[in-house]
Amino acid sequence: DTEVTQTPKHLVMGMTNKKSLKCEQHMGHRAMYWYKQKAKKPPELMFVYSYEKLSINESVPSRFSPECPNSSLLNLHLHALQPEDSALYLCASSQEGQRTDTQYFGPGTRLTVL
Amino acid sequence: DAKTTQPNSMESNEEEPVHLPCNHSTISGTDYIHWYRQLPSQGPEYVIHGLTSNVNNRMASLAIAEDRKSSTLILHRATLRDAAVYYCILISGTYKYIFGTGTRLKVLA
Repeated sequence: DTEVTQTPKHLVMGMTNKKSLKCEQHMGHRAMYWYKQKAKKPPELMFVYSYEKLSINESVPSRFSPECPNSSLLNLHLHALQPEDSALYLCASSQEGQRTDTQYFGPGTRLTVL
Repeated sequence: DAKTTQPNSMESNEEEPVHLPCNHSTISGTDYIHWYRQLPSQGPEYVIHGLTSNVNNRMASLAIAEDRKSSTLILHRATLRDAAVYYCILISGTYKYIFGTGTRLKVLA
């Protein structure tokens, strides 16, 4: 099974709401990633977890809060977002985050902030 | 961080070979070159990767210039299902995926 699943597929939220995005993989991968992708742009790395510890935070605003409860799950908690945060949020995983690893991406959650 | 440059778009006829170029003039000696593609409404998917030598797999071939400042992804026989955005990515250090701007490939029937 080489699937990364993401829920929900679509999310609409107001600027005062709190919501969470969920990502799951069962490939035994120890590195998990959150990316943000605006329309017609490449994905931009937000966070990396390695062995359930936050390894990289690419200067992401604190209104985005990642969490890795176990090696198969990755959450992204959202609070007080701005309309410019509307984008496709992609989750990915890889074996250990090495330069030869293949990253497996989920289909993404399309977020709209009103 | 090293960057990649790709043409915005390319067209190909079905069942003909496609050569997708990527420039990465600031690549360092230990950076790996990966290619991913993103079909409409999907997450990116792995195509191929290499370091110095040319590489082949069931999906494509990767030709890397001797000085490593450029590379070319080769699809041997394009099909309609190959229409996608192709990203050339340098893996610079652990975890650091630096996506290029991508080439939108259109395949004509």
